[in-house]
Amino acid sequence: QSVLTQPPSVSGAPGQRVTISCTGSSSNIGAGYDVHWYQQLPGTAPKLLIYGNTNRPSGVPDRFSGSKSGTSASLAITGLQAEDEADYYCQSYDSSLSGSVFGGGTKLTVL
Amino acid sequence: EVQLLESGGGLVQPGGSLRLSCAASGFSFSSYAMSWVRQAPGKGLEWVSAISGSGGSTYYADTVKGRFTISRDNSKNTLYLQMNSLRAEDTAVYYCAKHYGGYCSSTTCYGLDQWGQGTLVTVSS
Repeated sequence: QSVLTQPPSVSGAPGQRVTISCTGSSSNIGAGYDVHWYQQLPGTAPKLLIYGNTNRPSGVPDRFSGSKSGTSASLAITGLQAEDEADYYCQSYDSSLSGSVFGGGTKLTVL
Repeated sequence: EVQLLESGGGLVQPGGSLRLSCAASGFSFSSYAMSWVRQAPGKGLEWVSAISGSGGSTYYADTVKGRFTISRDNSKNTLYLQMNSLRAEDTAVYYCAKHYGGYCSSTTCYGLDQWGQGTLVTVSS
């Protein structure tokens, strides 16, 4: 059971908007630690998608956005495309565990 | 171009040992913290261990504490993970990854902006 909780799966049609939640606690997200998001395409290594809660690395389309509030964070994807079909993971730091933690991952299916 | 190339994976018996290496290039290696992250077959990502840029600070997940040791040789731009007392549940693809800063500062902990392609470790008799 992951310290950060994500829905196992989400889906949407091309062009639609989907959101993926990441729920933590007072020892991680709620303590103010940044949340980072990763995209893992099938058979490949993860790729940094959002860092520091809301920032996009160079080359990541502005269709991807992140937000954080309280003990939760969210990843939003607008204008869904077939190439967005992947697993998405949130990550933060947990002071009780004194280490980094990942969410369990969310599989995005583009219908 | 940043490159991270893992090596050293393979098949090992329960209770055995293995040392993974990660050769880094394309950035100032000693300026950044590094982590190992693993992914069991069909499962999610699990952070394993991190080390500061100087190598003076190390961090471990509870699942590997006391069995795994992370280290780095900044003169060789290489990260290591020594894995002892291996168990079946350690079977996974192990990724080496670069933090985009130190591990943590007073105000934030940095994410992982570059990843290697991974090396598979299989623990089985």
